[in-house]
Amino acid sequence: NAGVTQTPKFQVLKTGQSMTLQCAQDMNHEYMSWYRQDPGMGLRLIHYSVGAGITDQGEVPNGYNVSRSTTEDFPLRLLSAAPSQTSVYFCASSFTESTEAFFGQGTRLTVV
Amino acid sequence: DQQVKQNSPSLSVQEGRISILNCDYTNSMFDYFLWYKKYPAEGPTFLISISSIKDKNEDGRFTVFLNKSAKHLSLHIVPSQPGDSAVYFCAASEGGNKLVFGAGTILRVKS
Repeated sequence: NAGVTQTPKFQVLKTGQSMTLQCAQDMNHEYMSWYRQDPGMGLRLIHYSVGAGITDQGEVPNGYNVSRSTTEDFPLRLLSAAPSQTSVYFCASSFTESTEAFFGQGTRLTVV
Repeated sequence: DQQVKQNSPSLSVQEGRISILNCDYTNSMFDYFLWYKKYPAEGPTFLISISSIKDKNEDGRFTVFLNKSAKHLSLHIVPSQPGDSAVYFCAASEGGNKLVFGAGTILRVKS
């Protein structure tokens, strides 16, 4: 059982480049979300989805897009990377809205 | 303004003793609280949770206490083991899986 899988694990981007962070889960969870973690701070919610075709913004959505075409996948797109987006990104999923979230191993992104 | 605060950046405890990690929150609409444990280069893993209708939840060596009037929760680990050394995050939600996290507390358990 793979759980929540994130790819890539590491990425270096130049300012202005775009890329997609991939997230897939095999637990048939309806709820999926993206967080970023910066030094000295807790994880902050970027975007979330309550089911296929439904997404919404979290606390820090600017500069990121998401879509949810299937239950399993929830990719995060950086439209034009900026150094402020240097962070560790975590994808999470949960079965219902009131059960614990399972996290992927994270993607460490550096924008130079 | 941080809605979830973990005021102790780090805590050091002797093996076998109790570890107490604290968390304060400001949003009275939070009704579900969780503790996550995180090792370096890994994602957070769920440890224990508590609903706002309870004041205590136990799971083995881990107990979470919730004091709604004080907007305070704590995680007790008894007895502490070296493998418990990690970063512990407190998180809260108003329902749904939109979690608000504290900044974390680094726990070091010395053998």
